[in-house]
Amino acid sequence: GAGVSQTPSNKVTEKGKYVELRCDPISGHTALYWYRQSLGQGPEFLIYFQGTGAADDSGLPNDRFFAVRPEGSVSTLKIQRTERGDSAVYLCASSVAGSSLDEQFFGPGTRLTVL
Amino acid sequence: GQNIDQPTEMTATEGAIVQINCTYQTSGFNGLFWYQQHAGEAPTFLSYNVLDGLEEKGRFSSFLSRSKGYSYLLLKELQMKDSASYLCAVITGANNLFFGTGTRLTVIP
Repeated sequence: GAGVSQTPSNKVTEKGKYVELRCDPISGHTALYWYRQSLGQGPEFLIYFQGTGAADDSGLPNDRFFAVRPEGSVSTLKIQRTERGDSAVYLCASSVAGSSLDEQFFGPGTRLTVL
Repeated sequence: GQNIDQPTEMTATEGAIVQINCTYQTSGFNGLFWYQQHAGEAPTFLSYNVLDGLEEKGRFSSFLSRSKGYSYLLLKELQMKDSASYLCAVITGANNLFFGTGTRLTVIP
């Protein structure tokens, strides 16, 4: 079956603009995670959804970042007033039920470049 | 705070065995995961440990000592395709993975 997919694969934008990044999790997975990975670093947790609700958004760096998952499947990460420091690869992952030991399956990521 | 330490880079020879160490200090611990990440690709799951001891999966084994805050990933019979970054990650009380910076392994002929 299909894995986690993310669109776009690459996004270049200008400082101050608004961007939306999309994640399609594996069908039937109730848990969805967003991470951010800078060059040479490990992924950094942003937010975790269980179903439609954000169960943990403690990793969002500030209020410019927001994510939704209105129907419990596709999720969108929204970044307002982008800054150059937001440039990174944004990874989405999903797992079956959100148990802490469920394997998280990662998507290929969206590479965001803020000029 | 959370802290995970791994060597930044390692080099090993094709056919050999390599051990990648990981030490962690976290508030809460539910398990430790190892992921492989090839350049420009998504991380892929290798193994996880919850209890102390060794977990073996083919050429890959992972060891955990919770009292020492220590884990290692052992790769046997190295192949060129094993050149990648290896990420150690801890699940704390929450469900999110806290990752180390990763160890970039280069396998040479």
